[in-house]
Amino acid sequence: GAVVSQHPSRVICKSGTSVKIECRSLDFQATTMFWYRQFPKQSLMLMATSNEGSKATYEQGVEKDKFLINHASLTLSTLTVTSAHPEDSSFYICSARATYNSPLHFGNGTRLTVT
Amino acid sequence: AQTVTQSQPEMSVQEAETVTLSCTYDTSESDYYLFWYKQPPSRQMILVIRQEAYKQQNATENRFSVNFQKAAKSFSLKISDSQLGDAAMYFCAYYYFGNEKLTFGTGTRLTIIP
Repeated sequence: GAVVSQHPSRVICKSGTSVKIECRSLDFQATTMFWYRQFPKQSLMLMATSNEGSKATYEQGVEKDKFLINHASLTLSTLTVTSAHPEDSSFYICSARATYNSPLHFGNGTRLTVT
Repeated sequence: AQTVTQSQPEMSVQEAETVTLSCTYDTSESDYYLFWYKQPPSRQMILVIRQEAYKQQNATENRFSVNFQKAAKSFSLKISDSQLGDAAMYFCAYYYFGNEKLTFGTGTRLTIIP
């Protein structure tokens, strides 16, 4: 089946630094990728939708300058958390699909801890 | 805005028994998809079952089946012959083509009692 690889699985960074999370579709071309954030014992909240070659669409309340999303190719999207603060600590999950009615495939998630 | 409600934060069931997880949603649209996802401790999101709103027949996948009541906007998941490996968080989710958004419910933690 389709596989989405997310890297790193865990990252610890210091406050004020930036961290990049990668989401790759390994065996299909992902025209659309989604980034979610999941707080402990809570649901997944959509942060943004990215289509290959165009700017990401951010959900209300998500700071686009803080969470930079790039979808430069059909197999790779990146989320960069800039000037990270402890409140950015969370679990981030990406998902990808080939076409609008294709199944969504999820990455394994990235646990970000900002100290 | 679409909302998805899971009123059972936690459920438990004896191994080999049957359990039903509830989900309701709110939408004014007529064409959409509904999903149940499983999230085990590994945090990987695993698709359990999918239902197209235009289909009247309830979806089934082996031990998993749904009761889709479109008029009532209800989408429950039945797990038959529960197994220890079914223990996980289960999320109900709604997808609308118009805005391409997948909206998740708050989740139900399912415990399997040996």
